[in-house]
Amino acid sequence: NAGVTQTPKFRVLKTGQSMTLLCAQDMNHEYMYWYRQDPGMGLRLIHYSVGEGTTAKGEVPDGYNVSRLKKQNFLLGLESAAPSQTSVYFCASRGPGGTQYFGPGTRLTVL
Amino acid sequence: AQKVTQAQTEISVVEKEDVTLDCVYETRDTTYYLFWYKQPPSGELVFLIRRNSFDEQNEISGRYSWNFQKSTSSFNFTITASQVVDSAVYFCALSEAHGSSNTGKLIFGQGTTLQVKP
Repeated sequence: NAGVTQTPKFRVLKTGQSMTLLCAQDMNHEYMYWYRQDPGMGLRLIHYSVGEGTTAKGEVPDGYNVSRLKKQNFLLGLESAAPSQTSVYFCASRGPGGTQYFGPGTRLTVL
Repeated sequence: AQKVTQAQTEISVVEKEDVTLDCVYETRDTTYYLFWYKQPPSGELVFLIRRNSFDEQNEISGRYSWNFQKSTSSFNFTITASQVVDSAVYFCALSEAHGSSNTGKLIFGQGTTLQVKP
């Protein structure tokens, strides 16, 4: 049982480049989330999904897009990366009891 | 609006000392969940505990204990006889528990960095 996995683990982009972060969960959870973690600010919600085919904005959605075409996958896209998007990105899925289980994170640097 | 405050940015203790991490929250919801997560130097987020708002019973798990007090909107975490392996960033978080608009999203505190020295 892998839980929540994220790819890639590390990535360096130049300003203006695009990329997609993939999150996969094997726990059959309906709810999935993307957070970013910045020093001194805890984790902040970017986008979330309450089920296959649905997405919604979180606290800091600007500059990001998401898709949930399959229940087990939740993709986070950056269309035109900016240095302000340098961060650690965490994906999570939510179990029936409300607990969120996190992936290992993706460390993204935008130069 | 929901908010979680962890006023202690960094704490440093010597091994075997007891340490308490403070968490204060704000919410208008009558039912909610409170959580603690641990983030060791390796970077992953490890779930420690979830507490329902209607259950104020304190909980103990080995060297860890949690004190939930609705009257003061606090959910403090105590590590007894701390060990070097306890060194990590600890996050307190809050989410709504019920309702048709329940998104389940977590509101995190800023985190407390705990350093346990040998």
